[in-house]
Amino acid sequence: QEKVQQSPESLIVPEGAMSSLNCTFSNSASQSIWWYQQHPGKGPEALISIFSNGNKKEGRLTVYLNRASLHVSLHIRDSQPSDSAVYLCAVSLLSNYQLIWGSGTKLIIKP
Amino acid sequence: GPKVLQIPSHQIIDMGQMVTLNCDPVSNHLYFYWYKQILGQQMEFLVNFYNGKVMEKSKLFKDQFSVERPDGSYFTLKIQPTALEDSAVYFCASSLQGNYAEQFFGPGTRLTVL
Repeated sequence: QEKVQQSPESLIVPEGAMSSLNCTFSNSASQSIWWYQQHPGKGPEALISIFSNGNKKEGRLTVYLNRASLHVSLHIRDSQPSDSAVYLCAVSLLSNYQLIWGSGTKLIIKP
Repeated sequence: GPKVLQIPSHQIIDMGQMVTLNCDPVSNHLYFYWYKQILGQQMEFLVNFYNGKVMEKSKLFKDQFSVERPDGSYFTLKIQPTALEDSAVYFCASSLQGNYAEQFFGPGTRLTVL
């Protein structure tokens, strides 16, 4: 059974700084890894996904995937108060289309 | 961006009653999903649905649960009868394709079973 763990549980970052979030998964054959953002009372919204080892950059977001260490990280450059939310790591498996979720990191950006 | 709607946003019912949760997926999407999130816990997959059929379901998708999408209308999750442990937020999602595709989520329905 695939397991997804996220750290830290919560993170406070000053405005303009870099936010770094971590996720580990248990199955190296996991198909793709997604990062979702969730604001209170809303559904998750996809931010970025990665499949291949290495990094991927989109705007202020950079994600790094290392399949050998079963680790993926999300970095948000120039963090803004509007980035304050829960960030969820989700893994999709080779065998089906379901997403396996981490428990989330609550990010607070302090002005 | 594309929106998934869920109706109602909140539902309170007595244990043993039937409840139907409604989802209006993105219009051209073909794959549909339900996830369950108990307060303070991780979101968990319940079921996915394609071409009028359940593709896969988790062990959380008990015999009391059923899904359908009659004539391309709402994608529904029905629980009959409900139990106390069914209290949770239920999220509906849809995607255009299966593998690799982004799943778009609704805002959730908070179900409270008394």
